[in-house]
Amino acid sequence: GAVVSQHPSWVICKSGTSVKIECRSLDFQATTMFWYRQFPKQSLMLMATSNEGSKATYEQGVEKDKFLINHASLTLSTLTVTSAHPEDSSFYICSAIRGETQYFGPGTRLLVL
Amino acid sequence: AQSVTQLGSHVSVSEGALVLLRCNYSSSVPPYLFWYVQYPNQGLQLLLKYTSAATLVKGINGFEAEFKKSETSFHLTKPSAHMSDAAEYFCAVRSNFGNEKLTFGTGTRLTIIP
Repeated sequence: GAVVSQHPSWVICKSGTSVKIECRSLDFQATTMFWYRQFPKQSLMLMATSNEGSKATYEQGVEKDKFLINHASLTLSTLTVTSAHPEDSSFYICSAIRGETQYFGPGTRLLVL
Repeated sequence: AQSVTQLGSHVSVSEGALVLLRCNYSSSVPPYLFWYVQYPNQGLQLLLKYTSAATLVKGINGFEAEFKKSETSFHLTKPSAHMSDAAEYFCAVRSNFGNEKLTFGTGTRLTIIP
């Protein structure tokens, strides 16, 4: 139990385009999901907390207009990287809360050319 | 405020030897503590967690960790390392009420020597 999926697993896009990443809790409902960013050989950096039915809460320094988060249902949160630039290239990981534990998705690698 | 310190960004052990990955935490409230493992190009997989029940916690793949309040530690151990244990390991802490955010350590890369 407690499986979280992400789609796509990797994406390559041109600079200036927008990319949407989906995070789904497959076998449980998640009121709260989190979005992280991970740079090579580094720890996870929390970007935002996604709450079903309300606006996401962004961490300090994260541009909310650039990283749009929508938590439309209890099993789906989406992260849209708008007008992506090469510096947005990274590994994006989501997680979903079940009980006291965060369960993580497999990650999405984004490469912006 | 909470924080996690993982001593040793890289740890190498021989196959069959004891694995010890260190984690010390700081928390102003009773904590929940977690160990996650990350294999290359993958997300994080929960190894084990401490949620204020038994202080010795057993997880998957033969790993265990002991919560020691007096030492503010939650070190991860495995009696006998296997080649498949090579990965990045993250210790994380959160409050046991209210804020559900996790605070991660910087990670420890475990290498297994054949």
